[in-house]
Amino acid sequence: AQSVTQLGSHVSVSEGALVLLRCNYSSSVPPYLFWYVQYPNQGLQLLLKYTSAATLVKGINGFEAEFKKSETSFHLTKPSAHMSDAAEYFCAVSSTGNQFYFGTGTSLTVIP
Amino acid sequence: NAGVTQTPKFQVLKTGQSMTLQCAQDMNHEYMSWYRQDPGMGLRLIHYSVGAGITDQGEVPNGYNVSRSTTEDFPLRLLSAAPSQTSVYFCASSYSGAVRTDTQYFGPGTRLTVL
Repeated sequence: AQSVTQLGSHVSVSEGALVLLRCNYSSSVPPYLFWYVQYPNQGLQLLLKYTSAATLVKGINGFEAEFKKSETSFHLTKPSAHMSDAAEYFCAVSSTGNQFYFGTGTSLTVIP
Repeated sequence: NAGVTQTPKFQVLKTGQSMTLQCAQDMNHEYMSWYRQDPGMGLRLIHYSVGAGITDQGEVPNGYNVSRSTTEDFPLRLLSAAPSQTSVYFCASSYSGAVRTDTQYFGPGTRLTVL
């Protein structure tokens, strides 16, 4: 079975500060992991994904995530937060049965 | 290229009414799916389809029906609406359900309230 856990439903950072959003996974098969972002009143869009090619994955808008098998983690980071990064972020894992499992989401607030 | 479109954007139903949420994509994607999003629970998969004529249940299928007669369309039917079905519904598509690494493309969502 596959699942993801996002620690912290709300994260606040100052503009220019480091963004760190946490995601831990559980998977009975080698995992494929995703981060999606949802801006207010919109659908989700892909930030980045881990497909086993490289453990450090770079995505759009300056975000990156590192796959750490020993820690079963796939945390999302950005060196310097921007006001436009305020959104909800979802971690997800895909299963062998054509299904995706999403975390409960982390709402990011950026303080000017 | 419109991507994934959903109609309506908002809907209010009374308990017991039925309705269909529409979803269409113009990317020739084989895989389509429906999720519901509830506060504190993230997105949960309702039903999905790996191609025309093929559908399967997801994590929370009860109270919902789907069909896939064409590649482009994947409607979601609520047979007898209940207040517990108040939620935001998202349709998504990806190139192939056989590839676990495929990116999913989401529609803008339908906000449903059942009174």
